[in-house]
Amino acid sequence: EAGVTQSPTHLIKTRGQQATLRCSPISGHTSVYWYQQALGLGLQFLLWYDEGEERNRGNFPPRFSGRQFPNYSSELNVNALELEDSALYLCASSPELTNTGELFFGEGSRLTVL
Amino acid sequence: RKEVEQDPGPFNVPEGATVAFNCTYSNSASQSFFWYRQDCRKEPKLLMSVYSSGNEDGRFTAQLNRASQYISLLIRDSKLSDSATYLCVVNDRDSGTYKYIFGTGTRLKVLA
Repeated sequence: EAGVTQSPTHLIKTRGQQATLRCSPISGHTSVYWYQQALGLGLQFLLWYDEGEERNRGNFPPRFSGRQFPNYSSELNVNALELEDSALYLCASSPELTNTGELFFGEGSRLTVL
Repeated sequence: RKEVEQDPGPFNVPEGATVAFNCTYSNSASQSFFWYRQDCRKEPKLLMSVYSSGNEDGRFTAQLNRASQYISLLIRDSKLSDSATYLCVVNDRDSGTYKYIFGTGTRLKVLA
């Protein structure tokens, strides 16, 4: 069974540009979570989608946005890129609305902003 | 104060040693607790959940102290393969929904 897949693996942008990152959850999982992992800061919660709706949002500015499609895949958009947006962006999925703790992560998309 | 705090380490221990990590959390209403493991340049993976009564999985023991708001992970008989970053995770209930908060992780290096 395929795990969580993310694309692109690496992305290089310049300040002010926009980046789009994609995530496909494990088949049957309806919840998708996005995290930012910058050096030394650990995983910072960005967004949580379930059944196509945004369920929760972390303390990030509105230029971080996303959506979840009917097939449960998800997209993270970062507008007006800043240097400090350079990080590994991790997507995780879980089956339905759950607090059991089992999040299955993809390998991440590494965004570099020059 | 950070929502979830961990000592970043690194903890350098010889093979066979016992090592313990603590993690503190700020929200007394936090619902559930977990330890994840993240190998270098890899994605995090669930190691174990943490229950109020404490729980054990082989060489790993997790404990929760709600009164003091901390979680611990004990690793006995450390193996070289235990070298990784251990992430403490708290699930907070927030306005009727959930949010998984990760600590910054504690690095463990098990030395031959």
